[in-house]
Order: sequence, then C-alpha cells, then structure tokens
Amino acid sequence: EPEVTQTPSHQVTQMGQEVILRCVPISNHLYFYWYRQILGQKVEFLVSFYNNEISEKSEIFDDQFSVERPDGSNFTLKIRSTKLEDSAMYFCASMRDRHYEQYFGPGTRLTVT
Amino acid sequence: GEDVEQSLFLSVREGDSSVINCTYTDSSSTYLYWYKQEPGAGLQLLTYIFSNMDMKQDQRLTVLLNKKDKHLSLRIADTQTGDSAIYFCAVGDNYGQNFVFGPGTRLSVLP
Repeated sequence: EPEVTQTPSHQVTQMGQEVILRCVPISNHLYFYWYRQILGQKVEFLVSFYNNEISEKSEIFDDQFSVERPDGSNFTLKIRSTKLEDSAMYFCASMRDRHYEQYFGPGTRLTVT
Repeated sequence: GEDVEQSLFLSVREGDSSVINCTYTDSSSTYLYWYKQEPGAGLQLLTYIFSNMDMKQDQRLTVLLNKKDKHLSLRIADTQTGDSAIYFCAVGDNYGQNFVFGPGTRLSVLP
C-alpha cells in the first residue's frame, strides 16, 4: 500500500541552525501538509500546499518557516533559524483530492539544543 | 476557530468495548477522523465519517456522529492489548484543509 515517507526520522540541531525536513507524499496526491506535535501536546496544523503554492497557514508558520516542492516527488519544510521551542515531531501528510482522507507520514523528531 | 476536546485517559479490560468520545465546536466541520498513534510512531488513519452520516462501521470500529450535539465517538469492540495507544479525533472543513486535532485519548488495555 502506498505510504507517505519522511526523512530523517530524527534530526538534532543547534539553536540558530537551518534544518530541512523532507517528505515524499503518496504519488498521485495533490494536497500536502505539515503538522507538528510538541511532546505530550496536540497535533497542530502548520501549512497546506496545493498547486505549487501555500493554500493556508497557521499563526505558528511564521517567516522562519518555508515549504517547497522542488521536484515531482519531494515536499520539504525548512526552518531558517531554529529555536529551542521548535523541538517537536513534525508530520507530513498528503491527500489525493479535496474530499478524501489525509495520510500521515511517520514523522521527523526534531531536537534543538 | 475550531476547538476539539477529548477525555485524556481511558482504561478498559481486554475483551471489553472501548468508547472514546470527542466534541467539537464548529458545526460546519464536514470531515471527522480518528487517528491512532502508538508510542514513538506516526499517525495511523483508522476511520473517518462525513457530516452527512450518523454511523460508520468498519470491522471492530464503529463511529457515531451526533451532529446536533457536535459529538463524535469511536467504539472499539473486543479491545485487545494491541489497541493500547493514543487516539486522536480530528475535524476538517469542507475543503479538507486545516485539520484541527483533539488532545488525544490515551487508551490502556488491561489484561
């Protein structure tokens, strides 16, 4: 069964460094998402992406964050200058079309030291 | 904005039924989902229901939706130890965008 994949599974970085989290959505899906989950807390929506542009973003998704679909398969989340509070599990999700379910990847655990 | 609430903990005995409840605030929510998260793992889609449905059954899982009360429940029949996990309710709007998740219910299944 097709699945969303994410790399790396765990990323450790120093405060102020840039990180890029990578996702490969399911191949025929058109809508892409990033969510984050701070340890022990809710899953929070960050951003949605469709037709090569951001369609919606939350207040968490500030100027430090950006997303890109550099080719036909990858979907990336970049954090320009990481802060301690960016430490969380980041989930990518994709959806075939507007009225279908979202499938989530296994997540990337980001630890900022 | 949408607010989604769940009770945080539930313990059941193996073989019993589990009922996990969820309430939401936005009556225009169209898509309602249940995800399962095992320790250290990602979010596994279990089942979902559209707002024009009252009930959906899928093997051991039954989803009930009371749209008037904005209440969603997930019933797991014959609960097994492998069902121990955190269960998240998530609601989405008509465009399938911007899922809002509940805080998750930690289900513990006792032998």
